[in-house]
Parts: sequence; C-alpha cells; structure tokens
Amino acid sequence: DVKVTQSSRYLVKRTGEKVFLECVQDMDHENMFWYRQDPGLGLRLIYFSYDVKMKEKGDIPEGYSVSREKKERFSLILESASTNQTSMYLCASSLASGDSTEAFFGQGTRLTVV
Amino acid sequence: AQRVTQPEKLLSVFKGAPVELKCNYSYSGSPELFWYVQYSRQRLQLLLRHISRESIKGFTADLNKGETSFHLKKPFAQEEDSAMYYCALSGGGSNYKLTFGKGTLLTVNP
Repeated sequence: DVKVTQSSRYLVKRTGEKVFLECVQDMDHENMFWYRQDPGLGLRLIYFSYDVKMKEKGDIPEGYSVSREKKERFSLILESASTNQTSMYLCASSLASGDSTEAFFGQGTRLTVV
Repeated sequence: AQRVTQPEKLLSVFKGAPVELKCNYSYSGSPELFWYVQYSRQRLQLLLRHISRESIKGFTADLNKGETSFHLKKPFAQEEDSAMYYCALSGGGSNYKLTFGKGTLLTVNP
C-alpha cells in the first residue's frame, strides 16, 4: 500500500545539469516536504508546501526550487546540479490538521552528481 | 526558529537492557513532537507522537515542557529495535514546518 511515490530510486547526473525529482502522494494531503538525508546531518528540510502553488523555504533552500501545480505532486528542481548535492532525497506528505498529522515518506531517491 | 537536538549519534545496548534516546527542542510556542524510525532498507515511519500518549512497540516518550525534552524510552531493548531514530518537531496550528534532529543510531547487541 504505497502512498508516497518518488519517481526514481537512483539517479546519476552530470555537474551543471538541471535535475527534476518527482513525488506523488495519493492521500489527499495538504502538506508536502522535500528533505535531504546525509550521514551525521540527519534530515534537513529543503522546501515545503502547504497548498497548491504555495511553497516555503526550509533550512537549506539554496540551489533548489520546487513546483506544486497539483495537490498530489511536488517536484524538486536542482537548477544546476553540483557535486555537493549528491545525497539521498526524501519526500513526505501530511495532513494539515486533524487527529493524525503523521508524515508519510517516500522510498527516497539517491542522487549522485558527477 | 525551531530546532531539535539529539545529542547521541550512536547508542549501543545489550538485549534486555533499558534504552533512552534523548531529544531536546527549541520552540517558542506549543509544538507537536514526534519520534520517527528507519529500519534498515525501509522507509522512514512514525513511531509515536506526544499527543497520542500511547506506547508503540514498548516505546514511550513524555513531553517535558519545562526541560523542553521528549526522550524516547524502552525498559527492555530487543534486537529488532536496532534502527535509526529521529526526533521531530512541528509548530502546530498554521506552522506546518516539520524539523528533524540529526538522528541516533541504536544498536541492540545479543
């Protein structure tokens, strides 16, 4: 019963390329998040969105942008990939309110920039 | 600003021993606190949240607003508890930002 799906498990891109990471959720959640996960640094929030076309910067937005044209889809864009963006990227979604604001995570995309 | 601190990167205990994973937070309002767990090769998933006040897999966590802590405890660790544990904070209300700590890798030895 996969609920949050990231389009790729593994990606290898060249420095300077524009990279798109896609995330889709089927739970009608308002909130969606993009994190990067690095050993020793935990999960760091890149961007999040609380509604269609709405976005807010997280803690490390530099070098990234996002797009949310539809409620179920949240895209992370690396405008010009660099080697220091090599990481595991996690997408998550959650309800904005109610009894359960649990965040559900995708399986992750391991991006390598060479 | 909201911040979550997990002071221990690594924690190793023997099976049957008590375990406590520490979490401290910084937030000016009334946050929602969570513990998430990631088992090997699995997705990150919710373990428990302070609002529900329930015990999951024998784990409990109490929110201490005075000490701004939300430590995770289990009286008798099992080998299957070995995983990466993350403490997380959401501001609640209209603050949807979900912030994680750096995580603690728990190893339970036989």
